[in-house]
Order: sequence, then structure tokens, then C-alpha cells
Amino acid sequence: GAVVSQHPSWVICKSGTSVKIECRSLDFQATTMFWYRQFPKQSLMLMATSNEGSKATYEQGVEKDKFLINHASLTLSTLTVTSAHPEDSSFYICSAEDREGNQPQHFGDGTRLSIL
Amino acid sequence: RKEVEQDPGPFNVPEGATVAFNCTYSNSASQSFFWYRQDCRKEPKLLMSVYSSGNEDGRFTAQLNRASQYISLLIRDSKLSDSATYLCVGRVISNFGNEKLTFGTGTRLTIIP
Repeated sequence: GAVVSQHPSWVICKSGTSVKIECRSLDFQATTMFWYRQFPKQSLMLMATSNEGSKATYEQGVEKDKFLINHASLTLSTLTVTSAHPEDSSFYICSAEDREGNQPQHFGDGTRLSIL
Repeated sequence: RKEVEQDPGPFNVPEGATVAFNCTYSNSASQSFFWYRQDCRKEPKLLMSVYSSGNEDGRFTAQLNRASQYISLLIRDSKLSDSATYLCVGRVISNFGNEKLTFGTGTRLTIIP
């Protein structure tokens, strides 16, 4: 089945650091990828929709200058959390839309981000 | 009001029992629905799609009632490995073909030996 790889799986860093998370579709082309964030005991919240070759569409309340998204190819989208602070600590999950398949979206393994 | 609402639980159920979860949604534009399973600190995994006619996959049965905007999941003969959080998810596809998933908070299930 379709596979989405997310890297890194766990990041611990100091406040003020910028962190880049990669999301790759391994065996299909994904024109659209999604970035979610999940705080403990809460649901996945869509942060932004990433379209290959164009600017990402951010959900209300998500700062586009804080969470930089780049989707330069059909198999790779990146999320950069700029100048991360402890309140940015969360579980970040990407997914990719496979328009050829039946499953709605394929999810990456997630990245657990801890800002000290 | 949240677009997709679920009872967060926890549901603590003895092994072998039958357990049912419900979910309600408010966006009537949602075209399709799914149940996902999420283990602790892991990504969500698709469990099954939900159809108005009801569908079954082994011990799992899902049902959609569009009139009441209500979705259910039934697990029969529960196993220890069924312990997880179950997420109710609605999908909307725009006129441009763009997809958006909306997740419920999830219902936590623990199967007790």
C-alpha cells in the first residue's frame, strides 16, 4: 500500500531553534499534502494544506510566517517551525492525498516535537 | 459546536464483550465518513469507511445515519489489541476536488483481561 515517510520522528531542542520536518510519499505522487498538529488528549487539527508548486493554504489561526511550508516536488513537503517555543511542543503529522487510491489520506508516522 | 463530536470515554470493557461508539457531525456537506484507530503516540490508521447501508469488516460494524447526522462503530468479541483511541472522521471534497478531513477528539477504549 501507499507509504508516507515522515522525518524526524522525535525532536528535542532549545527555545528559539527552527525545526524542519520532512514528509515524503514513497510510492505515489502527492500533489496535495496536509499538515496536522495534535496536542495531548485532543483531536488532530489541520494546520495547512500544501499543494505542489504553489503556496500552502493555512487554516484560521495558524501563523504562516511561523510555520513555513514548502512543497517543491510531488513527493516531498516540508514544515519548518521557526523560532520554536515551548508552546509549539506537539505531535505534528503529515498526510498525503493519493487521488488514484481509495483511502482518503495516507498518514506519516508523526513527529514529536519538544521545545525546552 | 465542534464539527465532529465524540464521547471521549474512557471505555473500560472486559475482553470478549461488545462495545459501541457513537459520533455526531454538524457539517451536512460532509460526503463520506471513516473510523480511524490511533494508538498512543502513533499516527492514525484507517480502520474502515462508513456507509449508509452499514458495513462490516470482521468483528467491526460501522453505520451512518445521514438523517440524524450520526455515525456508529460496533466492536464484537473485543480483544486486548483493540485497546486504542477511535477517531470519527468526516470528509468534504470541494468543487475543485480538494479534500479536507475533520477529526473528532476520539474515544479511548481499554480492553481489560
